[in-house]
Amino acid sequence: GAVVSQHPSRVICKSGTSVKIECRSLDFQATTMFWYRQFPKKSLMLMATSNEGSKATYEQGVEKDKFLINHASLTLSTLTVTSAHPEDSSFYICSALGVRGRANEKLFFGSGTQLSVL
Amino acid sequence: QQQVKQSPQSLIVQKGGISIINCAYENTAFDYFPWYQQFPGKGPALLIAIRPDVSEKKEGRFTISFNKSAKQFSLHIMDSQPGDSATYFCAAAVGGYSTLTFGKGTMLLVSP
Repeated sequence: GAVVSQHPSRVICKSGTSVKIECRSLDFQATTMFWYRQFPKKSLMLMATSNEGSKATYEQGVEKDKFLINHASLTLSTLTVTSAHPEDSSFYICSALGVRGRANEKLFFGSGTQLSVL
Repeated sequence: QQQVKQSPQSLIVQKGGISIINCAYENTAFDYFPWYQQFPGKGPALLIAIRPDVSEKKEGRFTISFNKSAKQFSLHIMDSQPGDSATYFCAAAVGGYSTLTFGKGTMLLVSP
């Protein structure tokens, strides 16, 4: 089946630093990728929709200058948490919507990134 | 406004039993209803999904029942196994697979 690789799986950083999370579709192309945030024992909250070659669409209440999203190719989207603070600590998950072939119009999730800001 | 309500919040089932998780939605424009399974520290994985033109879909031990008039759908796990212990999310979307609205999740524990 189609695989979405998310890296890193876990990151610990100091307050004020920036952290980049990568989401790659390994064996299919994805024009659209989604970024979610999940708190412990809670549901997934959509943060933004990332479209290849264009600006991301952010959900209400999500700071676009805080969570920078880049979708430079059909297989890679990145989320950068800028000037991270402890309240940004969370589990971040990406998903990719496949185009063409067996993955066409199917949504696949990455394994998530646990961010801990000290 | 919570568009997809999921219950129960947690569920304990004995091995071999039937696990039943329910979801209700408000937006009649939803036309895609998937269920996801998530293990701790991992991303969700699609289990099974249904569209409103059918009332039931079965894949192995997993069955979705869909009641369009009541705006409800449920997941049934037959012969539940300890390996099924995970958090299950229902979701709904308009116009396809993309922008999903998730329920709050159900933590299932299948006791040996």
